[in-house]
Amino acid sequence: DQQVKQNSPSLSVQEGRISILNCDYTNSMFDYFLWYKKYPAEGPTFLISISSIKDKNEDGRFTVFLNKSAKHLSLHIVPSQPGDSAVYFCAASLDNTGNQFYFGTGTSLTVIP
Amino acid sequence: NAGVMQNPRHLVRRRGQEARLRCSPMKGHSHVYWYRQLPEEGLKFMVYLQKENIIDESGMPKERFSAEFPKEGPSILRIQQVVRGDSAAYFCASSPRAWGTNGYTFGSGTRLTVV
Repeated sequence: DQQVKQNSPSLSVQEGRISILNCDYTNSMFDYFLWYKKYPAEGPTFLISISSIKDKNEDGRFTVFLNKSAKHLSLHIVPSQPGDSAVYFCAASLDNTGNQFYFGTGTSLTVIP
Repeated sequence: NAGVMQNPRHLVRRRGQEARLRCSPMKGHSHVYWYRQLPEEGLKFMVYLQKENIIDESGMPKERFSAEFPKEGPSILRIQQVVRGDSAAYFCASSPRAWGTNGYTFGSGTRLTVV
């Protein structure tokens, strides 16, 4: 049962433009959400997070938006750079202890120079 | 400051053999998590350990899989009598405490291939 879904397996964007990666979840009890970035043959790297009490969190070129009523979050990357090309996973947690995260299946982003 | 170290990076086992995957957490981190990524899937939680204790093993298959995090030494994920379906990337992560607001720090993973 996939509680966190990333319905777009891949996305291509021109360098300098905005990349928007989407994530949907089914469990309304999820309390905390994160985005991870993964390069081939490496482990996932934490990118940005958001608590369910917020609807937006920004860190440099990366912004995460949370729409709790729609059970939807998105990651915006502006401007996109070739080095952003990677697989992006969203993840959710049921509480603030972070014991277990539920991961989506990932979206492979390619930023075209 | 070394990150989370996993070894081996690649492991090939024949069906029926045992696989032992090692994970050394970051310095100062006493919480260890194991995740598995099957082909074309996201990461799936397996087990959460603190030193000498299994805190949550709700994601571990009921048979053949075990994990430990001894007082001294790395955390070990052990798979007995491996089958082809065990072929996956196994990632270990660590954190300094249970509160995971900044997520975990993951290692580079061990890619297990069962032939």
